[in-house]
Amino acid sequence: AQSVTQLDSQVPVFEEAPVELRCNYSSSVSVYLFWYVQYPNQGLQLLLKYLSGSTLVKGINGFEAEFNKSQTSFHLRKPSVHISDTAEYFCAVSEKAAGNKLTFGGGTRVLVKP
Amino acid sequence: DVKVTQSSRYLVKRTGEKVFLECVQDMDHENMFWYRQDPGLGLRLIYFSYDVKMKEKGDIPEGYSVSREKKERFSLILESTSTNQTSMYLCASSSRGLGGQYFGPGTRLTVT
Repeated sequence: AQSVTQLDSQVPVFEEAPVELRCNYSSSVSVYLFWYVQYPNQGLQLLLKYLSGSTLVKGINGFEAEFNKSQTSFHLRKPSVHISDTAEYFCAVSEKAAGNKLTFGGGTRVLVKP
Repeated sequence: DVKVTQSSRYLVKRTGEKVFLECVQDMDHENMFWYRQDPGLGLRLIYFSYDVKMKEKGDIPEGYSVSREKKERFSLILESTSTNQTSMYLCASSSRGLGGQYFGPGTRLTVT
């Protein structure tokens, strides 16, 4: 069975500073990887996804993530955050044989301070 | 844009009451999902459906059932609510491809 660990439950960061959100997964088979964002009182929105090819994936709102197969990680980064990036971020994994069924991490709450 | 709508944003129910949560998507997606979201636990899959009238249990199906009579509509049923079902419920849909899932705004259910 697959599992996803987000190592930080909360990350405070100052506006215009960089941020990195860590995600590690365990799976015995090949996987697809996703990052979602949830703004307050809203559903989840897809930020980016890794399916195959280049290990550096660019998403919306200036976010990017790097897939590292040997470390089974998919960390999310943004070089300069805005107040509007305050949200909860979820890493998710789907095993290639499982279609679109996702397993989510526990989430990382990002609080951007002025 | 894909739109996934959920019948209620907030619900308050008493223990033992029956609850229907309805989800509708407008993109002709084959797959639909119901999750519950609790602090620190992320999203946990309750049930999913790959086609009309088909359903499969997710990771935490106990205390829940589902119905999918039409392709665009997926209902979550709580036959007899309990306080441990107080949670945020999220519906999602996806195509058979690998585009990821599209989520509704969620229903916050409080059982007293």
